[in-house]
Order: sequence, then structure tokens, then C-alpha cells
Amino acid sequence: EVQLVESGGGLVQPGGSLRLSCAASGFTFTSYNMDWVRQAPGKGLEWVSYINRYSNTIYYTDSVKGRFTISRDNDKNFLYLHMSSLRDEDTAVYYCARDSGLAGSVDSWGQGTLVTVSS
Amino acid sequence: SYVLTQPPSVSVAPGGTARIPCEVDNIAERYVHWYQQRPGQAPVLVIQSTYDRPSGIPARFSGSNSGNTATLTISRVEAGDEADFYCHVWHSPSEHHVFGPGTKLTVL
Repeated sequence: EVQLVESGGGLVQPGGSLRLSCAASGFTFTSYNMDWVRQAPGKGLEWVSYINRYSNTIYYTDSVKGRFTISRDNDKNFLYLHMSSLRDEDTAVYYCARDSGLAGSVDSWGQGTLVTVSS
Repeated sequence: SYVLTQPPSVSVAPGGTARIPCEVDNIAERYVHWYQQRPGQAPVLVIQSTYDRPSGIPARFSGSNSGNTATLTISRVEAGDEADFYCHVWHSPSEHHVFGPGTKLTVL
């Protein structure tokens, strides 16, 4: 069974930093590209970042470029999102998501971890 | 920026057919995916690549497109289908995934 388990969320002050982790199991991690997707309270889904299997192709949504860094450890089956210079508008549930490889669809999602940016 | 357009809400009686549209620019060049998100839960992929139903998704769910609009159709709607539904495309020119704003399906 595919499992994606996020951790690392919490309360952080504006301007602060946080690192999210996603533990992947139940599938061959190195065979899949991965994404982070977030959802602000009461709002819709917003794609944040993408990383391919080899970590040599990485994309970000414009609002997080220069502040967030996606990475992965294929030996440990972990996906990461390092977030810095956090803003109020970064408050959201952050989902770890597996790219199916079929035109970018996401076929598995974690349960999410809540990041709250507030003073 | 590339935008997908969905109505905020759709209502349907139990046993009826719900049609949720998603307006997509240059749809012929795009594969459209659909997700169901029940309150407090993670999204679930219900249609991928415009027409295909992943394993485990009931045949009551189907996808289509016409003109610049992709449509998720749910037949014989049940109370348990009530959820938010999002369309999604990969926009290759900007190298961005793009989600629609979501449609809340209410079963009357």
C-alpha cells in the first residue's frame, strides 16, 4: 500500500523557517516524480513545487521561488520542503503528492501537515 | 498566468446526474485530471488524462471534453459523493501545475 506521511509542520513567526518531511513507503520511490501541494484554510488546492526522480529537474510556483527549496533523499525514501522567509499567506496544509507519470496527474496524497505563520 | 475556471457550486438530487465543468485554454493540448476532496480529507484522483478512471473509482464517474471545456460527470449521485471537486492540468509552457478553484457538489 502506498503511504506518504508528512511531518514538520507547526507554528512559526513571519520571516521564520521550517522544514517539512515526507516519508514514502509501499512503492519504489526512485521511480516517481514528486510534488508539494498546499491548501490554505477554507481555500482550494495550490501547487507549490515539483522534483523529478533524479533531482535534476525542479519547478516552483512563482510565489515561493527563492524562499522554498524542494529536495529528496532516494536512499531514505524521503521528500523535503525547506521553507524560509515565511509569510502569513504561506499558512496552509501542505500535502506530499506522488506524480503518477501520466501527464502530471497525482495518484497518491499524504494526509498533510499544517503550517501556521503568525506572530 | 494560466487559469482554469470552475463554477463555485453544483447541486443535484440523489440518483441524478451531476456535471461539473472546467474551462481550459487550448484544451486540445492538455490532459485534464479531476480530484474529489471530502471535508477534512486529502484529495483523491477520480479521473486522469481527461477520460481515464483510476483503479477503484466507480464507473459512475466519467470525464469528457468539448470545445474548451472539460467535464466531470457523476451518474446516480449518492449522498457520499458530496465533496469539493478540482480540475488540474500540467501547463508545459510555464512548467507549472495548475488547479481550478474547485466546485462544491451538494447532494440535495
